[in-house]
Order: sequence, then structure tokens, then C-alpha cells
Amino acid sequence: NAGVTQTPKFRILKIGQSMTLQCTQDMNHNYMYWYRQDPGMGLKLIYYSVGAGITDKGEVPNGYNVSRSTTEDFPLRLELAAPSQTSVYFCASTLTGGGSDTQYFGPGTRLTVL
Amino acid sequence: AQKVTQAQTEISVVEKEDVTLDCVYETRDTTYHLFWYKQPPSGELVFLIRRNSFDEQNEISGRYSWNFQKSTSSFNFTITASQVVDSAVYFCALRKDSGYSTLTFGKGTMLLVSP
Repeated sequence: NAGVTQTPKFRILKIGQSMTLQCTQDMNHNYMYWYRQDPGMGLKLIYYSVGAGITDKGEVPNGYNVSRSTTEDFPLRLELAAPSQTSVYFCASTLTGGGSDTQYFGPGTRLTVL
Repeated sequence: AQKVTQAQTEISVVEKEDVTLDCVYETRDTTYHLFWYKQPPSGELVFLIRRNSFDEQNEISGRYSWNFQKSTSSFNFTITASQVVDSAVYFCALRKDSGYSTLTFGKGTMLLVSP
């Protein structure tokens, strides 16, 4: 049981390039999330999804896009990379959206934009 | 709006010392959930514990213990007899109970345990 997996682990982008961060979970969870973690800060929500075909913005969605075509996959797209998007990105999932449901996190993707 | 404050940015202790990590939260909800996560140097986020607002029983799990006090809006985490492997960043987080809700994280406390 792999849980939540993310690829790649590290990536360096040039300003203006685009890329997709991959996230897959094998727990049949309905809810999936993308967070970013900046140095010395907690995590901030970028986008979330309550099920296949349904996504919504979080606290810091600008510069990102998501899609959810299957229950398992929730890719995060950066269209025009900017230095402000240098961060560590975490994907997470929960079975339900209920408050008591624990979020399980992937190992993270460290992105640097130069 | 919800808020989680971890006032201690960094704590350094020597192995075998006890250490308490503070967490203070703000919420207008009467029912909510509190979490602690550990982020070791390898970078992953590891779930440690969840407490519900209607259950104020303190909990002990091995060397870890949690003190939840609704009256002071605090959910503190104590490590007894700390070990080098406890070195990590620890995050406290809050989540509403009603409907869909996401986690609100504190900024984290970096714990450094020296041999």
C-alpha cells in the first residue's frame, strides 16, 4: 500500500517554463489537496478536490491549475513559472471531507524557479 | 477565521530532556479538531495525533503526551526523555467539523535534540 505518492521529488525550472506535479493515491480517498510550504511557514492550501471532476480554489491558487479526471490522480499544473513559486509542494488525501478525517500527505516535491 | 499560533520557532535540548511544544488556536466553532504532524529532515509529513474538541482527555503514547485545554485554547505536545530522532519540525493544525473543511496550520516549531 503506497499511500500518497508524488513525482518528481525535485525540480528546477526557468522563469516562464511550465510543468505538472503529479500526485496519486491508492487509498480510494475522495478528497485530495495541494499545499505549498514556504521556508519557516506552515502549509497553505492551493487547490482541493472533493471527487473526480470537481475542484475548487484554496487560499493561494494564483498561478496554478488542477484537474481531477480519476479518483486516484490529482495533478497540479504551473503554466508560467515564477520565482515566487519556489516552494515545497505537498499533496494530501482524505476519505471524506469531515473535520475528524486525517489528511495523509505525500513526500513532497521541492521546486526551484530560477 | 481560524488561526493556529506556535510561538516557539526553534527549541534546542539535550538528549533525555523533556520538552513541551506549545500550540494556541483561535476558532469560533464549537466543534473542531486538532492535529499534530511531524516533519523530519527527510521532509515528509507524518501524522501524530488528532483530538476532537468535545474530548478533553489528555493522551499519552509512549514518550509523547498531549495536553488539550479548551479553556485556554491550547493543545500542547510534550516529548519525555527526548532522543536525537525526535529532531524535526512539528506542526499543529486545526480543522472545522462542519461540512467540508481544510487544515489550518501553524508555522511550526523546529526541535533540535543534541546527543
